[in-house]
Formats: sequence, C-alpha cells, structure tokens
Amino acid sequence: DTEVTQTPKHLVMGMTNKKSLKCEQHMGHRAMYWYKQKAKKPPELMFVYSYEKLSINESVPSRFSPECPNSSLLNLHLHALQPEDSALYLCASSRGLAGGRAKNIQYFGAGTRLSVL
Amino acid sequence: TQLLEQSPQFLSIQEGENLTVYCNSSSVFSSLQWYRQEPGEGPVLLVTVVTGGEVKKLKRLTFQFGDARKDSSLHITAAQPGDTGLYLCAGSSNSGYALNFGKGTSLLVTP
Repeated sequence: DTEVTQTPKHLVMGMTNKKSLKCEQHMGHRAMYWYKQKAKKPPELMFVYSYEKLSINESVPSRFSPECPNSSLLNLHLHALQPEDSALYLCASSRGLAGGRAKNIQYFGAGTRLSVL
Repeated sequence: TQLLEQSPQFLSIQEGENLTVYCNSSSVFSSLQWYRQEPGEGPVLLVTVVTGGEVKKLKRLTFQFGDARKDSSLHITAAQPGDTGLYLCAGSSNSGYALNFGKGTSLLVTP
C-alpha cells in the first residue's frame, strides 16, 4: 500500500477565512512534505517534516502554517490567503530523508485543489 | 540546487507513435524517479532508477539511467490516449532533503 490520503479534494475560500488541509499516510514513513503546484508546472516544495519535526521551510509566507500532530498526519492551516495562492496543494511522504538511495522516494497524495476568492 | 533539464516541454502525437523524454543534469543523483500526473490529480510514481546504466521496463514504457547517474530517459512505444499526462522526472541526492524536479513534459496522445 503506497497510499497518501488528502482531504478535502476541493476547497474554495475567501481571503478572510481560516481553513485546514489534511494529509494521512499509514506506510510508516517518517518524512512528510507539502508542495504547491500551479498548472502544468512541477511541484514546488513548501515544508518538510522529519520525525514530526519541521526540517525545512522554503521561505513560505506565514499565512501557511504546517502542523504534524503525529507520524501519520500532516496538516496545513490556511489563514488570510491571497488569490495568487490558488493552486493544487500536494502532500507526499517518504521512508526518510536523504542518506540512502531509496530512502526518500516520495509518494504523493491526489492533492487539494484550492481556490481563493 | 541540482538542476534537471527536461525536454521536450510539450509533445503532441498520434496514437501508435513512439516518443522519448529526456532528463539531463550536470549533477550526480543517487536515484531518479519518474512520475505521471493527470490534471487535478497528484503525481503517480512510475519507476525509480538507482544504478548507473540501469534499464527498467513497465509495459510499453522503458526507463534508462545514464552510466554516470546524471541523466535519464523515458521511451514510450506505441503511445495510447491513456498515456496523456504530465511526465515529471525528479532526482534525489545523498545530501539533499528535497526532490529536484524537472519542469515536466506535457504529453497529448490523440486517437
């Protein structure tokens, strides 16, 4: 089973709303990631968690706030977003981070399509 | 950041044709992944190559990893409309945390 589950699949929110994206995996992976993807572009890394601790924040604005409650769950809290934040938000997981050839093969969820009005 | 140059960026072909997508870098990768992504969905892992010179086959898809582990190719034989999608190569290094993605190849196969 290489399944990463993301909810909701679609989300429409106003610029003053607060919402959360959720991601779950039960593969025993200890690294989890959030990516942002615009149409026909590659995913752009936002955050990396390793063993439930934030390892990388790729200079993401504070209106995006990640949270890793446990090794299976990853949330992305959204507040005061802008229309340009509309995108497909992808969660991924891997066995670990770098250090071995197969260790950080990443498996992606189906994504949340976010529209900010 | 280790750059991956992916080409072509767009490809429109007819059913039954063959095609090759290239992924090149000046850097060495410990492994390289190929993903296919359909509109509105997440990337789906097709294959991982880890050994220089490695060739892997997945039905009509053939993946090669260069001897020096700096480049890779994806060859599709007798393309079908179901092959339509965005193909992404992504490389991992021993020292980096993140995947380095190519810019993607948007493939359209028409009946």
